[in-house]
Amino acid sequence: DQQVKQNSPSLSVQEGRISILNCDYTNSMFDYFLWYKKYPAEGPTFLISISSIKDKNEDGRFTVFLNKSAKHLSLHIVPSQPGDSAVYFCAASETSYDKVIFGPGTSLSVIP
Amino acid sequence: EPEVTQTPSHQVTQMGQEVILRCVPISNHLYFYWYRQILGQKVEFLVSFYNNEISEKSEIFDDQFSVERPDGSNFTLKIRSTKLEDSAMYFCASSFTRVPNTGELFFGEGSRLTVL
Repeated sequence: DQQVKQNSPSLSVQEGRISILNCDYTNSMFDYFLWYKKYPAEGPTFLISISSIKDKNEDGRFTVFLNKSAKHLSLHIVPSQPGDSAVYFCAASETSYDKVIFGPGTSLSVIP
Repeated sequence: EPEVTQTPSHQVTQMGQEVILRCVPISNHLYFYWYRQILGQKVEFLVSFYNNEISEKSEIFDDQFSVERPDGSNFTLKIRSTKLEDSAMYFCASSFTRVPNTGELFFGEGSRLTVL
């Protein structure tokens, strides 16, 4: 039961270019979406979130876009830096529940 | 910066043994969680805990699992009789308010459990 999907297991991008990580979801009740970054041997760290009442949220180099009709969101990183190399998890939650559902992750490599 | 701390970082145990994983959440947080990640798979929700009781649990969190907040600072996950498939990285997390309202879980570095 994959409610949150990240169809690209990996992505390579040149330093300075834009990284676009995609996420799709199936549960129309999700109303809050999050992106987490994870380095090896560390726990996930929160990056950015977006409520379903918005279609864009920006924080420095990170922007998340939400297309509710398509049940799709994306994370843009501009410009990409080698330190951004990590696994990125898309996650979603709905108001009625405490749990956050994670996608399988996309491993981003930013090549110097 | 406040952080969630977990012990042990790695535990190896024999199948059928009991295991307790410990967590110290961020001190002013009110909601506590356990997640796990089997190697190569996604991060999965196990249980959430608020006001000294379980607020939500997943299908994975069966009778072999229990959680406790024995004092004002620790939050523990107990697996009564470990199985091979319990081998995973277990993450503790905490938040000040319910995640759907604020959107931020703070995770610990994880405890790797290996069941032989």
